[in-house]
Amino acid sequence: TQLLEQSPQFLSIQEGENLTVYCNSSSVFSSLQWYRQEPGEGPVLLVTVVTGGEVKKLKRLTFQFGDARKDSSLHITAAQPGDTGLYLCAGVVRGRGKLIFGQGTELSVKP
Amino acid sequence: ETGVTQTPRHLVMGMTNKKSLKCEQHLGHNAMYWYKQSAKKPLELMFVYNFKEQTENNSVPSRFSPECPNSSHLFLHLHTLQPEDSALYLCASSQSYAGFTDYEQYFGPGTRLTVT
Repeated sequence: TQLLEQSPQFLSIQEGENLTVYCNSSSVFSSLQWYRQEPGEGPVLLVTVVTGGEVKKLKRLTFQFGDARKDSSLHITAAQPGDTGLYLCAGVVRGRGKLIFGQGTELSVKP
Repeated sequence: ETGVTQTPRHLVMGMTNKKSLKCEQHLGHNAMYWYKQSAKKPLELMFVYNFKEQTENNSVPSRFSPECPNSSHLFLHLHTLQPEDSALYLCASSQSYAGFTDYEQYFGPGTRLTVT
């Protein structure tokens, strides 16, 4: 069974702080996606990382795919209350045609 | 707005009721998905339809019955559910090429189901 472990599961920080969310697995993925889900809504795709070692930036968010394509991280710089939500990583298994989701990190950024 | 709508947004049903969830996508995609999202658990893929054909049934109990009449619409028929089936049910869609689904999925807002 392929699993993605996300950590931490809960994170409560003050506005302006930096944070990192981790997504780890013993399995290799052909690519990895990060989603953000707000209360009462479905997940929205933020980014897809494909190449081992790849780094992508989306404004204050930096996503990195591990060299071995088994893990990924999301770093947020100077967090804002608008960053509050559930962050989900999802691994893509080549040939399986489906996503393997982590259990999510619930982020709360207080003003 | 992601281009995927779901109705109803909230549903409370008894264990002996029959109800249906509806999903519609306006993105021109050919693949559609049902997921179950329970508290503190990863999203669980339930069913996948590709060009109206079911290509994945992730060992879902028969009290959940999907229907995909065309590439834009997906239903989930519910009957004799259990309280542990209470969850957020999410629909998603993606592009599909030559039988392979694009992994970038677009999700609807979900239906919050409570079984009493």
